[in-house]
Amino acid sequence: AQTVTQSQPEMSVQEAETVTLSCTYDTSESNYYLFWYKQPPSRQMILVIRQEAYKQQNATENRFSVNFQKAAKSFSLKISDSQLGDTAMYFCAFNPSGGSEKLVFGKGTKLTVNP
Amino acid sequence: ETGVTQTPRHLVMGMTNKKSLKCEQHLGHNAMYWYKQSAKKPLELMFVYNFKEQTENNSVPSRFSPECPNSSHLFLHLHTLQPEDSALYLCASSPLRGSSYNEQFFGPGTRLTVL
Repeated sequence: AQTVTQSQPEMSVQEAETVTLSCTYDTSESNYYLFWYKQPPSRQMILVIRQEAYKQQNATENRFSVNFQKAAKSFSLKISDSQLGDTAMYFCAFNPSGGSEKLVFGKGTKLTVNP
Repeated sequence: ETGVTQTPRHLVMGMTNKKSLKCEQHLGHNAMYWYKQSAKKPLELMFVYNFKEQTENNSVPSRFSPECPNSSHLFLHLHTLQPEDSALYLCASSPLRGSSYNEQFFGPGTRLTVL
């Protein structure tokens, strides 16, 4: 079975500091997609960053970057220069390629950025 | 309107009521999804529609009835719900790129309370 595990239910970080959220997944597929989604309090879930498994280079979007370790099946999210607006639930998700239209989500990590 | 919209945003209903949730996507996507998000639980996929055809029913009770009249609209008809069905119901859509689906785009959700 394909599963996604986020081992940190809650985390906090001081404004302007860096924080890393962990995610591991389990699959027998060789090519797939990984995503980090952000869900601010009472607001819409939005995509933060995505990684295609066949690309060795780690994806980066402004202050957000990932550390993708394919052999270890690890996909952590690093947020640099944390801002108050980064306070949200963060979900790691996995989509096996090959025609599947489903995403498998982790349970989420609640991140609080403190002033 | 752009993106994925959902109406109503909030709904309170009794166990004997019949109501419907509506989702509309303005992105030209081919796949649409219903998710249930409860507190302290991972996102639960309920239904998947691909080109208006239902491709997934994740063992959802029959008191939830989906309808997808076209690729842009998705409904979730509710009847004789239970209090434990109270949750945030999220709609999402996804494009078809090549032979596999990529990220999903989410609506703001309908906060449902069953009394």
